[in-house]
Amino acid sequence: KAGVTQTPRYLIKTRGQQVTLSCSPISGHRSVSWYQQTPGQGLQFLFEYFSETQRNKGNFPGRFSGRQFSNSRSEMNVSTLELGDSALYLCASSLDPDQPQHFGDGTRLSIL
Amino acid sequence: QKEVEQNSGPLSVPEGAIASLNCTYSDRVSQSFFWYRQYSGKSPELIMSIYSNGDKEDGRFTAQLNKASQYVSLLIRDSQPSDSATYLCAVNRGTGRRALTFGSGTRLQVQP
Repeated sequence: KAGVTQTPRYLIKTRGQQVTLSCSPISGHRSVSWYQQTPGQGLQFLFEYFSETQRNKGNFPGRFSGRQFSNSRSEMNVSTLELGDSALYLCASSLDPDQPQHFGDGTRLSIL
Repeated sequence: QKEVEQNSGPLSVPEGAIASLNCTYSDRVSQSFFWYRQYSGKSPELIMSIYSNGDKEDGRFTAQLNKASQYVSLLIRDSQPSDSATYLCAVNRGTGRRALTFGSGTRLQVQP
């Protein structure tokens, strides 16, 4: 059974640009959550989607947005990139929000 | 008070010893509890889940839950250098809440 797939694995952008990250959950999983991980802040929650609906959102500015499609695949978008957005972005999927989450390998975003 | 608290470590144990990792949480209505292992540069990997008071064993790993004390722990028996990683405690606060809240992690070092 394929795991959570995140693309791309690595991204280099410059300040002011925007970026879209993609996440394909494990087959049959309908819940997708996104996290930002930095050395200083640890794992910080971005959003949670279930059946195409955003259930919860973390304390991030409006530049961070996401969505989930009918096939449960999810995307997150960051606009007007800032240096501080450099991080590992992790997607995790689960059967439903109450089940254990399984993580993808992440997208490492570097802002120059 | 943080929602999920862990000692950041590093916790250093000799090879073959028992490593004991601890986690406390603040929300009494929390329903389920998970331990993730994260190697440097990798994404978190689910290693244990526990839902009711008591102990749950899986190979060299034992998770312990005490809801009255709002405390969950992970014991690693016969620790190996390959167990050296950061261990993240995660708590699910139940339907309708954010899916998972993570602690900041405890770094474990197993000395050969």
